[in-house]
Order: sequence, then C-alpha cells, then structure tokens
Amino acid sequence: RKEVEQDPGPFNVPEGATVAFNCTYSNSASQSFFWYRQDCRKEPKLLMSVYSSGNEDGRFTAQLNRASQYISLLIRDSKLSDSATYLCVVLDTGFQKLVFGTGTRLLVSP
Amino acid sequence: ETGVTQSPTHLIKTRGQQVTLRCSSQSGHNTVSWYQQALGQGPQFIFQYYREEENGRGNFPPRFSGLQFPNYSSELNVNALELDDSALYLCATHDRRGGETQYFGPGTRLLVL
Repeated sequence: RKEVEQDPGPFNVPEGATVAFNCTYSNSASQSFFWYRQDCRKEPKLLMSVYSSGNEDGRFTAQLNRASQYISLLIRDSKLSDSATYLCVVLDTGFQKLVFGTGTRLLVSP
Repeated sequence: ETGVTQSPTHLIKTRGQQVTLRCSSQSGHNTVSWYQQALGQGPQFIFQYYREEENGRGNFPPRFSGLQFPNYSSELNVNALELDDSALYLCATHDRRGGETQYFGPGTRLLVL
C-alpha cells in the first residue's frame, strides 16, 4: 500500500465550480499534513497546511480526519488559474522528510 | 520566490556518465532535502543533509550521494547514470530548529539518453 494515495484525475470542471480532492495516508503516527500545488514543469509550492480543526484560506478549505487517516481539499468558485496538480503531503517526523501522493490534476475550463 | 536556487536548470547525459546537481539554501535554512520526481509521479525522497551529514535516506542506491557545505548549500551526485534516472530533481530547504515547512527550488531537469 502506498504511504499517501490520491486519485490522479484529471478533474475537469468549469469556472465557478466547487471541486474536492481526497487523500488517504497509511502511517497513523503522522502529525503534519500539507497540500502543495505544482504547475506544469515547475516546483511544488506550499498551498496550505492541514490542521485537525480544519483551516480555510480564501476559496480553499482543508480538512483532516485522523480517525479515517483522510485529508481533503475543497476549492470553491474555481478559477482558470487554479488549473494545476495538487499534491497531498505527509511529513515523516522521523526524518523530517515529505511523503507525497502522486498528485491530482485539475483542469478548469471557461 | 523562495530564495532556493538550483543549477543547472536542464541537463542531458548519456548512460554511464556522472552528474552533479547543486542547490543553494534559502537564508537561515540549515537542512536540505533532495527529491526525485519522475513524470506523472509525486516527488520521492532521496536523502537529507543537516550539519553537513546525511540525516536520512530514501530507497535510492548508493550511486546517489550528496554533500552539504558550511554555508548549507548542497550537491547531489549520481554515478553510472541509468535511463530511469531521467527526472526532475528538486531540493527543498528548511530550518530544522524553527519549523516544518520546506521550500523547493525550481529543480533540475535531467534527461539520460
């Protein structure tokens, strides 16, 4: 079983739509979680950290369910500029290494 | 911009050759991690350097090696290149004392022919 699993997509949505991505992780001892965004042929960039209480940053909302080992990202009012790959990431605190899912590709169309 | 730089941006090598990739840390970041990202995959952890020593390693063979210098910059060396080594190589830096957020450089795109 992969340490971090995501649906690779692609998710094709029209502008203005709401889209949700899910991710599961295998290590129940994991403590820190992130969503990174990666544009084509570019480096990953931190989108947001994910907290147990959930957190929101503008149109983006992240949720963590520790019991189910499940992380989600909700994007409201999608923009063309949201088109990218969204990487679910878990921090392995032993080595402070990031463990990535394969990424979910989002395509927002006019 | 993160302040993390990598060089070169692109590189073409042939099988069996050796390559050295370079990474300069963001100011104040004392830990450097290297990742390999194959096409269509998420980045995979290669190893991490802290205080000029390897501090953890992923599932990569010994022909992948590295260094960290006193100014926290780092090198990734790959010997006996194989076709499957073709990938985007990313370095990420952070301050081990201060937080978990890692900031990535723009990467080096390596093609092995």
